[in-house]
Amino acid sequence: ILNVEQSPQSLHVQEGDSTNFTCSFPSSNFYALHWYRWETAKSPEALFVMTLNGDEKKKGQISATLNTKEGYSYLYIKGSQPEDSATYLCASPYSGSARQLTFGSGTQLTVLP
Amino acid sequence: DGGITQSPKYLFRKEGQNVTLSCEQNLNHDAMYWYRQDPGQGLRLIYYSQIVNDFQKGDIAEGYSVSREKKESFPLTVTSAQKNPTAFYLCASSISVQRGQPQHFGDGTRLSIL
Repeated sequence: ILNVEQSPQSLHVQEGDSTNFTCSFPSSNFYALHWYRWETAKSPEALFVMTLNGDEKKKGQISATLNTKEGYSYLYIKGSQPEDSATYLCASPYSGSARQLTFGSGTQLTVLP
Repeated sequence: DGGITQSPKYLFRKEGQNVTLSCEQNLNHDAMYWYRQDPGQGLRLIYYSQIVNDFQKGDIAEGYSVSREKKESFPLTVTSAQKNPTAFYLCASSISVQRGQPQHFGDGTRLSIL
């Protein structure tokens, strides 16, 4: 089973602050890295799927980078707003099977007004 | 609107009872998945299905069963053999099981033991 780790587990920032958190995964036999955003009382929503080393993706004020050689991805939020409060999950397919995602336990972000 | 519908939102099970969680999608996706979430842990895969009449065990399939008789539907049965069923259950779907396809999730079902 692939080990996908996320840090920090939780984070509180002030409105307007920029923030970032990390997802690490084994670098061997890399297939893809998924980021999801999960707001309370809603369903998880896909943010990005990244497959190539050096990939950078952006959606509004949220962006992500990928380093497959060292096995990490960063998610950045520029100018956080209270509506960015959510749990951010990353996931990667098993190295032995591209069909199953292993999820990290998530980073819970709270943006204080 | 296209999406995934899980029902019920809350479910209570008595000891020794089987219960079935419903998952329906109208996204025309081939692949469907069931995950379980426990406090402080990531989502863990119970079962997945690549196509109608096919399904595969995930990491924690013991005590669970599924069926995929229609493309739209992937119900999960929590059997009495599952000794610790209290958890939050999420259903998801994707266009296919290939690695670059994002998954779309339902709102979840919270199962508790009476």
